[in-house]
Amino acid sequence: SQKIEQNSEALNIQEGKTATLTCNYTNYSPAYLQWYRQDPGRGPVFLLLIRENEKEKRKERLKVTFDTTLKQSLFHITASQPADSATYLCAFNNAGNMLTFGGGTRLMVKP
Amino acid sequence: DTAVSQTPKYLVTQMGNDKSIKCEQNLGHDTMYWYKQDSKKFLKIMFSYNNKELIINETVPNRFSPKSPDKAHLNLHINSLELGDSAVYFCASSRGRFGANVLTFGAGSRLTVL
Repeated sequence: SQKIEQNSEALNIQEGKTATLTCNYTNYSPAYLQWYRQDPGRGPVFLLLIRENEKEKRKERLKVTFDTTLKQSLFHITASQPADSATYLCAFNNAGNMLTFGGGTRLMVKP
Repeated sequence: DTAVSQTPKYLVTQMGNDKSIKCEQNLGHDTMYWYKQDSKKFLKIMFSYNNKELIINETVPNRFSPKSPDKAHLNLHINSLELGDSAVYFCASSRGRFGANVLTFGAGSRLTVL
C-alpha cells in the first residue's frame, strides 16, 4: 500500500540556519505534493503545493523540491526564526483521490 | 472571521455515550472533510462530502455517521463512544475535490473518552 514517511524525530537547529525536512513516499506516483504547518492546538495550515512536473517551488523563505526519481520531497526554510518552530506535514495525491498525510516532523529553532 | 469553525473545541465524555461535533465553513467551498489525528499525529481521512454528497467513506466504524445538511456544514455524530475514539478530529474544506485542491482546516475538536 502507498506510504508516506517523514522523520518522526524532532529537528533542532539554530536561528539563522537553513532547516531541511524530508518527505519520502513508496508504492505511489503522486501528481501533487503539499506541505502544511501545524502549531500545537491548531489545525494544519497550507504552505506550498508542487506538481510532479515542477522541480522546485519557492515562497519567501520557503522552498520545496520534488524528485520523482528518488520519490522524495525536501522542504527548506532559509534564515530560520524561532517563530518557524512547528510541526510540518507533507501530503500527496493524484487527480482522482484524497490527500494522504505523513506523520509530520517537528522543527525547533533555537535563538 | 473564521473560515472553518468547529464546535466544541474540547469534549470529555464517558464510554458508551453519543456525541456530535459540528463544522461550518464560510469559504464557499464545495468539498468538506473529517480527518482524525491520533496521538502519533497521523492525519487520517474519515469522510468527504462534495456538494452534500458523500464521496469518501474510509474504513470507519459505522458508529460514526456524518451529515451534511448543506454544502457549508458537515457534522459528525459518534454513537457508543469507545476509549479508542479519543483523538483530535479536524474538519476541513476545499474548493473542489482531489487533485491540486488545497485544504483549509478548522482548529480541531479534542475528544477524550473516559
